This record gives sequence, structure tokens and C-alpha cells, in this order.
Amino acid sequence: GAVVSQHPSWVICKSGTSVKIECRSLDFQATTMFWYRQFPKQSLMLMATSNEGSKATYEQGVEKDKFLINHASLTLSTLTVTSAHPEDSSFYICSAWTSGDPYEQYFGPGTRLTVT
Amino acid sequence: GENVEQHPSTLSVQEGDSAVIKCTYSDSASNYFPWYKQELGKRPQLIIDIRSNVGEKKDQRIAVTLNKTAKHFSLHITETQPEDSAVYFCAARDSGTYKYIFGTGTRLKVLA
Repeated sequence: GAVVSQHPSWVICKSGTSVKIECRSLDFQATTMFWYRQFPKQSLMLMATSNEGSKATYEQGVEKDKFLINHASLTLSTLTVTSAHPEDSSFYICSAWTSGDPYEQYFGPGTRLTVT
Repeated sequence: GENVEQHPSTLSVQEGDSAVIKCTYSDSASNYFPWYKQELGKRPQLIIDIRSNVGEKKDQRIAVTLNKTAKHFSLHITETQPEDSAVYFCAARDSGTYKYIFGTGTRLKVLA
């Protein structure tokens, strides 16, 4: 149980285009989903917290107009990187949390984004 | 907000030896402390966790200790094996927002 998927697993896009990444909880309803970014050889940095049906809460320094988050249902959250630039190239990982298990977050497999 | 420091950043041990990784946190409201193992290009995998009402937890070769007064917690791996080589992250969970704040990571190399 507690499986989280992400799609796509990797994507290459051109500078200036937008990319959408999906995060799905497959066998449970996620009260909250979190989006992280991880640069090579660095830690996971929380970008935003997303609750179903409400606006995402962004961490300090994260541009909400550039990283659009939509949490339309209890099993799906999407992250759209708008007007992507090479410096946005990173590993994006989502995690899901359910009030039924109020401690553990379940991580998706990550999406490798490369902007050329 | 919460700040988590992790040491050392790299650690090399001989196979069979023990490895210890330490983390400190700043927010006394944090109440859950998971440890993750991450292999290159993969998702973090939970290996052990501890809640704030417990001082120590063990699972086979892995143990975690928590000192709430000093606000630090440690991961102990005994009888290390080459497959333990990976990057390990500690995290602290804020009791109000449920956010995890991660440490900077420790690259563990177990030498055969």
C-alpha cells in the first residue's frame, strides 16, 4: 500500500516552454502533497505544500508564478514549470501525506527535468 | 522556521564496521524524525523513524536515538555492508505544518 507515482519519469524541454509533472497517490487519498526539488549532490528542498481544493503554500524564495501547483483531487497534484530555463533543470520529487497516517510521507519516484 | 544540520557530509567505513550519522534540529515543536536512504536517481526510502516520545528505536542493524533536550538525533548502522553505500538524509517534521525539513545528507561508502 501507500504507492505514489509520478509522470513523466524524465523530460527534456527547450528553454521557454512549459512542462507539467503529475503526482498521483494510487491506493490512498492524500490529504496533502508536497513538492521538492533536488539539485545534483544536494538535499531535498521543499518547494510547496499543496492541499486538495485550496491554493498551494510556497516556501520562501520559490516563485509561485513560475511553479504552478494544482491539487484538483485527493489523488492528483500537478506541478507546471512555466517558461523553463536551464537553471530549472533538476530532480523534482513529490510526496503524499494522509491524515490516516499522520507521520510518514510517501515519496514518488521523481521526475528528472532537463531544460536545453 | 526549522533548520536541520547533518554531519558528516561524507563517511567511509570498512565493511563490518559501524557508521554513525548525526543531526541537530532547531525547532522544539518538531515531533517526528525519519531517516532516508537515497540511491542515485531514485526516490528517498524510509529506513527508520522515531517519534518525539521515544528515545531509541532499533530495527536489525539500524538504530536511531533521539535526545529532545539537546535537540539532536543520530542514525547508527552496525555491521555495515557494501549495499549500505548510499546517501542518507535525516529530516524533522514540524508538528504544526507537517512539513519535513531535510538535513544536507551524508554520503556513506562502505569499503569491501
